Amino acid sequence: DAGVIQSPRHEVTEMGQEVTLRCKPISGHNSLFWYRQTMMRGLELLIYFNNNVPIDDSGMPEDRFSAKMPNASFSTLKIQPSEPRDSAVYFCASRRDRGRTGELFFGEGSRLTVL
Amino acid sequence: GQQLNQSPQSMFIQEGEDVSMNCTSSSIFNTWLWYKQDPGEGPVLLIALYKAGELTSNGRLTAQFGITRKDSFLNISASIPSDVGIYFCAGRRYNTDKLIFGTGTRLQVFP
Repeated sequence: DAGVIQSPRHEVTEMGQEVTLRCKPISGHNSLFWYRQTMMRGLELLIYFNNNVPIDDSGMPEDRFSAKMPNASFSTLKIQPSEPRDSAVYFCASRRDRGRTGELFFGEGSRLTVL
Repeated sequence: GQQLNQSPQSMFIQEGEDVSMNCTSSSIFNTWLWYKQDPGEGPVLLIALYKAGELTSNGRLTAQFGITRKDSFLNISASIPSDVGIYFCAGRRYNTDKLIFGTGTRLQVFP
């Protein structure tokens, strides 16, 4: 089975530009999570979906960040407008719910640099 | 964001040595997990623990779910160069989907 697929792997953009990160979860997994990783703050949960419905977005930094999951096989994380402090590696992870014991599988991440 | 406390922050050891690292929290967790992250990659699950006191092995790796439910330990025996990476603990509280990650332990193994 293919793992979690993220794109792009690397993005360099200028402050103020819109950034869209994409994720395809593992087929059959019904929960999807977006994490952000920085040296200072480690791995932070931004938002997660269950059956395509956003469940908890309390980790989304501010209104410039938004996430959607239009179907079971695709999710986007958008930053508009981007700022230099948004530079980080953004990970998508998915999980097959089996009660509470399904565990997360991560993608390879999207490294974002905002100049 | 909320994080678990991991120690040590980094380790430099010689090939063949055993490694121990731990993760602590001020609150109780129902599930403890250990992940490893290689450079340029996402974290990969190593071991999952679901019961207080549980001891689970995966090859040279052994992890334990602390009896108090507030900590977990990971041991690596006879380290090899490919053990290099960052090891993260992660915990999940009862009746939630959120996985909270530790601050990470960076492991370097010298031949």
